[in-house]
Amino acid sequence: EIVMTQSPATLSVSPGERATLSCRASQSVSSNLAWYQQKPGQAPRLLIYGASTRATGIPARFSGSGSGTEFTLTISSLQSEDFAVYYCQQYNNWPPLFTFGPGTKVDIK
Amino acid sequence: EVQLVESGGGSGQSGGSLRLSCAASGFTFNNYAMTWVRQAPGKGLEWVAAISGSGNRTFYADSVKGRFSISRDNLRNTLFLRLSSLRAEDTGRYYCTKETGGTYSWIDYWGRGVLVTVSS
Repeated sequence: EIVMTQSPATLSVSPGERATLSCRASQSVSSNLAWYQQKPGQAPRLLIYGASTRATGIPARFSGSGSGTEFTLTISSLQSEDFAVYYCQQYNNWPPLFTFGPGTKVDIK
Repeated sequence: EVQLVESGGGSGQSGGSLRLSCAASGFTFNNYAMTWVRQAPGKGLEWVAAISGSGNRTFYADSVKGRFSISRDNLRNTLFLRLSSLRAEDTGRYYCTKETGGTYSWIDYWGRGVLVTVSS
């Protein structure tokens, strides 16, 4: 079973600053990795799939990179609406069908 | 516009049963696999179960295998999750989700979720 880890658990960032979130898989998932954003009281929203492709309607300040076991989500200039929890998810290996990381909370510094 | 609307949540006794439903619209339902994902209070996301577009293939997380049953009614565009032998650790919000399809498929749409509380 693939285990996903994310770091840091919490990232404190000032508005306008850059945020870099990391996700690691216990074995290669190729580029079959997605990122989701979840705000308090809301369902998650797809941000990135295929490790680096932005989903429809996602602003260009969100970018993803990596392949294999190491992945990064970068938010180039944090806006107030970006403070949320971010989850990575692999969809390369079975079982289980999907594995989520534990999440990184981005909060206001 | 894709919409996924869950219903059927609520309180259940330990050892009891509940059935969740998810009404889907805005896409050709039987063309897509569907998945349930849950989130315990204050915790992260956990994949629970998935079903193919035709409904002939189902998959379960080890934590729910033998207790939960996923099914779908393609005529009514509805997804179901039957929760049985409920445990306290089944408490959480259950999200109905749509997969993108293909050999490698991810989740592209989520419902708002429905709350399940299991009490002893």
